[in-house]
Amino acid sequence: EPEVTQTPSHQVTQMGQEVILRCVPISNHLYFYWYRQILGQKVEFLVSFYNNEISEKSEIFDDQFSVERPDGSNFTLKIRSTKLEDSAMYFCASKGSFQETQYFGPGTRLLVL
Amino acid sequence: AQTVTQSQPEMSVQEAETVTLSCTYDTSESDYYLFWYKQPPSRQMILVIRQEAYKQQNATENRFSVNFQKAAKSFSLKISDSQLGDAAMYFCAYRSSMIGGGADGLTFGKGTHLIIQP
Repeated sequence: EPEVTQTPSHQVTQMGQEVILRCVPISNHLYFYWYRQILGQKVEFLVSFYNNEISEKSEIFDDQFSVERPDGSNFTLKIRSTKLEDSAMYFCASKGSFQETQYFGPGTRLLVL
Repeated sequence: AQTVTQSQPEMSVQEAETVTLSCTYDTSESDYYLFWYKQPPSRQMILVIRQEAYKQQNATENRFSVNFQKAAKSFSLKISDSQLGDAAMYFCAYRSSMIGGGADGLTFGKGTHLIIQP
């Protein structure tokens, strides 16, 4: 069964550094999403992406964040200058056309020191 | 904005018994989708079951079923014949049926930690 994959599974970075989290959505999906989950809290929507542009973003998704689909398979989330409060699990999800279910990847655990 | 409330931070059930997890939501929309996701210790989010608001029939998936009460804005998950592998965090989520306009992302509740007692 096709699945969403994410790399790396864990990332440790210093405050102020840039990080890029990578996702490979399910191959025929056209809608892509990033969510984050701070430890012990609920999953929060960050951004959705369709047709090579952002279709919606939350208040969390400020100028420090950006997303890109650099090629036909990858979908990336960049955090330009990480802060301690960016430490969280980041989930990528994808959805096909005429489908309503978003399928999640295994997540990247980001720790900012 | 839509909100999702899960009032049970933790639930415990004996193996092979039935347990019901509650979820309520607030929305002014008439058409939307509701989901239950399971998050085991590995922290991967796994879809358990989905319900379309326009369908009156409650969704079922093997041992998992929902009780969808649209007027009450309630969407509970029933797990029958609980198994040790069901132990996880369970999140209720809402998505508008509107495309774009702030409707794309899922809105999650805070989750219910389900413990299965052997």
